[in-house]
Amino acid sequence: DADVTQTPRNRITKTGKRIMLECSQTKGHDRMYWYRQDPGLGLRLIYYSFDVKDINKGEISDGYSVSRQAQAKFSLSLESAIPNQTALYFCATSDPWEGAGYTFGSGTRLTVV
Amino acid sequence: GENVEQHPSTLSVQEGDSAVIKCTYSDSASNYFPWYKQELGKRPQLIIDIRSNVGEKKDQRIAVTLNKTAKHFSLHITETQPEDSAVYFCAASNSWDSGGGADGLTFGKGTHLIIQP
Repeated sequence: DADVTQTPRNRITKTGKRIMLECSQTKGHDRMYWYRQDPGLGLRLIYYSFDVKDINKGEISDGYSVSRQAQAKFSLSLESAIPNQTALYFCATSDPWEGAGYTFGSGTRLTVV
Repeated sequence: GENVEQHPSTLSVQEGDSAVIKCTYSDSASNYFPWYKQELGKRPQLIIDIRSNVGEKKDQRIAVTLNKTAKHFSLHITETQPEDSAVYFCAASNSWDSGGGADGLTFGKGTHLIIQP
């Protein structure tokens, strides 16, 4: 079983629609992150959470919201999708002392038309 | 906040030659510098990291060097092989731990490494 699972893998949606991307993990990690990857721009942090009651904005949080439903689940929502939110979205988890860095999910490719 | 610059954006080398990718960072409080490799269509994976209390770290064919005074660090790959073809990302964090600390990891824009046969 995959340790960090993202759903859906691919999604095409229309401008103005609300969409939710989901992430679940079996690593038992408290820290979870949402990053966005665009060609030539690398990975940019959208939101992160260190536990269920802790949610923090990242570099590019405008237009996004998150929900940490449980230690294992961290969802990203686009309230009203716009075309420049077309990107590859990665969820990641980490443990500060495992020494293994981030464990990324397989990514969700989102296209807003 | 932290800013990480990565160069070059594309690097093409002959199989068997060495490859060097360089990154600079802006926050002198940064202490943790990982490198991630992303193969085509796959998720990024940690390949090596270094903390600010050491200047160099090596793991088989890959090594990372850090110059805290100049605020730059580099990835060195020797005896390159076809399976080294990928996009490589450097990152920085002001935490000592590998989990990215209080603000997460700040990534560079990536280097597409192409190994020519």
